[in-house]
Amino acid sequence: DAKTTQPTSMDCAEGRAANLPCNHSTISGNEYVYWYRQIHSQGPQYIIHGLKNNETNEMASLIITEDRKSSTLILPHATLRDTAVYYCIVRADLYNFNKFYFGSGTKLNVKP
Amino acid sequence: EAQVTQNPRYLITVTGKKLTVTCSQNMNHEYMSWYRQDPGLGLRQIYYSMNVEVTDKGDVPEGYKVSRKEKRNFPLILESPSPNQTSLYFCASSAPGLAGGRTEQYFGPGTRLTVT
Repeated sequence: DAKTTQPTSMDCAEGRAANLPCNHSTISGNEYVYWYRQIHSQGPQYIIHGLKNNETNEMASLIITEDRKSSTLILPHATLRDTAVYYCIVRADLYNFNKFYFGSGTKLNVKP
Repeated sequence: EAQVTQNPRYLITVTGKKLTVTCSQNMNHEYMSWYRQDPGLGLRQIYYSMNVEVTDKGDVPEGYKVSRKEKRNFPLILESPSPNQTSLYFCASSAPGLAGGRTEQYFGPGTRLTVT
């Protein structure tokens, strides 16, 4: 599975968009990009995933560059409750979750 | 409500005293996993199970056992706990996905274990 690189921490003002970057320069053609978040030692929570097209759901948007070497998770209107550690994971096998590597993630601090 | 439950949520024990952390899911998921989370090391997979009676080691299986006798339950057993197993433990479950389908893992609330 491809390795990912994320900034250690980021700040965002409440109500503004939070843009969290992730580099995955060694990604393979069959590898998906997943995003999870973990709020203060709770169990991680799925946010979104994608292969090469941009994706949007009720929580966030995922923008994947054309060469697929990087992606950005966008929280359109960050709230204080979005303060969490966000994990970018790249994984080939969509069907099996027997190996799922969480790196160090990005600590997002949403400030009033 | 779809959920993964773990018990106990907090446990303080002594070295060598066998313990079991239970995990149960109500979503009829085939896949279940155990992770531990330690500061600076992220989440690391201990064991996983792809179905009843099918289990395999993850990245850090030493000192742990698991069993999968029923689809909904996946207990984590520490036969002889040691202080280096002090950690935050998470159970997770997921279902096989269809092409492009949503196949996220659902995580339990965590069990904070302290071994003295």
